[in-house]
Amino acid sequence: SQQGEEDPQALSIQEGENATMNCSYKTSINNLQWYRQNSGRGLVHLILIRSNEREKHSGRLRVTLDTSKKSSSLLITASRAADTASYFCATDLRMDSSYKLIFGSGTRLLVRP
Amino acid sequence: NAGVTQTPKFRVLKTGQSMTLLCAQDMNHEYMYWYRQDPGMGLRLIHYSVGEGTTAKGEVPDGYNVSRLKKQNFLLGLESAAPSQTSVYFCASSGLAGAARWFGPGTRLTVT
Repeated sequence: SQQGEEDPQALSIQEGENATMNCSYKTSINNLQWYRQNSGRGLVHLILIRSNEREKHSGRLRVTLDTSKKSSSLLITASRAADTASYFCATDLRMDSSYKLIFGSGTRLLVRP
Repeated sequence: NAGVTQTPKFRVLKTGQSMTLLCAQDMNHEYMYWYRQDPGMGLRLIHYSVGEGTTAKGEVPDGYNVSRLKKQNFLLGLESAAPSQTSVYFCASSGLAGAARWFGPGTRLTVT
């Protein structure tokens, strides 16, 4: 099964509303990363939060990390139609001489104008 | 800077044919990765490289080979394509282990 699981699988909101996506994982991590993927495109890195951090902000994005619960959340405030995309959490694990980034199956966000 | 580029963008193969996907990055990154993405699933790591001349297996390496002869290029080869290899393939790079990945636009491969 996947290391990271997003919840919900799909989310539909009105423009201007906030969107919250959650991610749970199973094993200890080096860091957790959030990515966005527009339809038919590659992934774009949004935020990286280290295992010793609890909260991080970037513009309208806010990410929290609770290592005791092995969970993270991504909040997008004042959403826009352009935020419509799939959002993936990915957990970074130590692997031999590198780090292994394991992706969840994603949350599909639709922001209605 | 172009970032991470992939060629080709689309390809259709018949079962048993071979092909090579090319990934190039101009950010002088040490680490490069090949992922595949299947419908309803996240990305899965096929192979990765921690530097020029090195390669290592990821989660789903069977049926694929890779080479990193130059630092800026990472090639993914399919020796004998199978329908199960129909997928979208993404290349990524990072400057440091554990850092954010920079992704290419993807190659959509269909094996009939």
